[in-house]
Parts: sequence; C-alpha cells; structure tokens
Amino acid sequence: DADVTQTPRNRITKTGKRIMLECSQTKGHDRMYWYRQDPGLGLRLIYYSFDVKDINKGEISDGYSVSRQAQAKFSLSLESAIPNQTALYFCATSDPGRAIEGRSYNEQFFGPGTRLTVL
Amino acid sequence: KQEVTQIPAALSVPEGENLVLNCSFTDSAIYNLQWFRQDPGKGLTSLLLIQSSQREQTSGRLNASLDKSSGRSTLYIAASQPGDSATYLCAVRNSGNTPLVFGKGTRLSVIA
Repeated sequence: DADVTQTPRNRITKTGKRIMLECSQTKGHDRMYWYRQDPGLGLRLIYYSFDVKDINKGEISDGYSVSRQAQAKFSLSLESAIPNQTALYFCATSDPGRAIEGRSYNEQFFGPGTRLTVL
Repeated sequence: KQEVTQIPAALSVPEGENLVLNCSFTDSAIYNLQWFRQDPGKGLTSLLLIQSSQREQTSGRLNASLDKSSGRSTLYIAASQPGDSATYLCAVRNSGNTPLVFGKGTRLSVIA
C-alpha cells in the first residue's frame, strides 16, 4: 500500500528554535492535513491544503506555518518553538475524487507521527 | 459547529466478548463518517468509512453502522481479542470540502 511518511519521527529541541516537520505521500492525493494530538484534547487541525495553491488555517494555526512544495509534500514549521507545542504531530491525506477498489471516496489516511518535545 | 462525542472514554472487556463502541454527532447533515484505530504513540489506521447514503460497512470482525437522523454511529467488534486493544476514534466530514471533525476516542482493553 502507498505510504504517508513523516520526518523526523522524534525531535527534541529548545525554546525559541525554528523547527520544520516534513510530510511526503505516494498516494497521489491532492489534499493534505497537519494535526497535533495532546492527551485529553484529542486531535486538533493545524492547517490543511486542498491542492498545491491552496492553504487553509485549522482551529489552532497560531505559532505554526506551512508550505505545500508539491502535490506530494506538505511541511509544517514552528518559527519559534515553545514548550506548549510539545505534542504528537500527524500528517494526513485524502482525495475526494478517488474511489480505491472496495473503498469509498474521501477516505483519510495518516502518517506515523512525529513526537516533538520542546524544552 | 459539528461536535463529535464518544462514550465511554475507556472500556475493558474479557476476550471473546462482542462489543459496541458509540459515536454521536450534533449536525446530522454529514458527508461521511470514518472509524480509525490508534495504537499508543502510533498513527491512525483507517478501519471503515461510511458514506452518508450508506447504513453500514463491514470489514472482517468489524461492522460500522450509521443513523444520520439520530446523529449516531456504532462500531461493532465481534469476538474481541487482546490484539484489538487500542483507541478507536470516530470522525465525521460535513461536506466533501471540509476537514474531518474528530471525537476524542474510546480506549479499549481486551483482557485475555
């Protein structure tokens, strides 16, 4: 099965540093998403992109920025990391126009996650 | 604003039991609903996706149902196994051009 990959998988950094998390996908999907997950708060959407020229803010975009370099690549940046950005970060993809054999349209797939710790 | 609720937050059952996980949503005008599984510290794995025109979907021992009018979906797991232990998340999409809205999940433990 095609993959959604994230790099790095783990990162420890210090307050004030600039951090970039990268996401690549080989599914050929147009739509990509960045989420963070915190215990007790669930998954929260940071940014999403429906194609290379489209960027949309999610519910918690402050302190983050994104870049959609190509259909297959979507990067998340923390310009100046702070400790409350310590979380598990996930990239995801979906494609509304594609019905994969036996499965339905607009199914969403996730990467393995990046564990980020800001000291 | 769509809100998704999953109750209970945690569930423990003995191996072999059939079980039901619940998901409710406040706006019944949804496009589709998706169930995911998440193992600790890992990514989400898609289990089943139900389009708004469908009533249920099945995959192996899993069956997901959708009742849009009442704003509810259930995930039925037959003959549970310790390997089913994970957090199960429900998410709804209000239209083809909006992101998924997630519940906080139900943490399932299947005891051998």
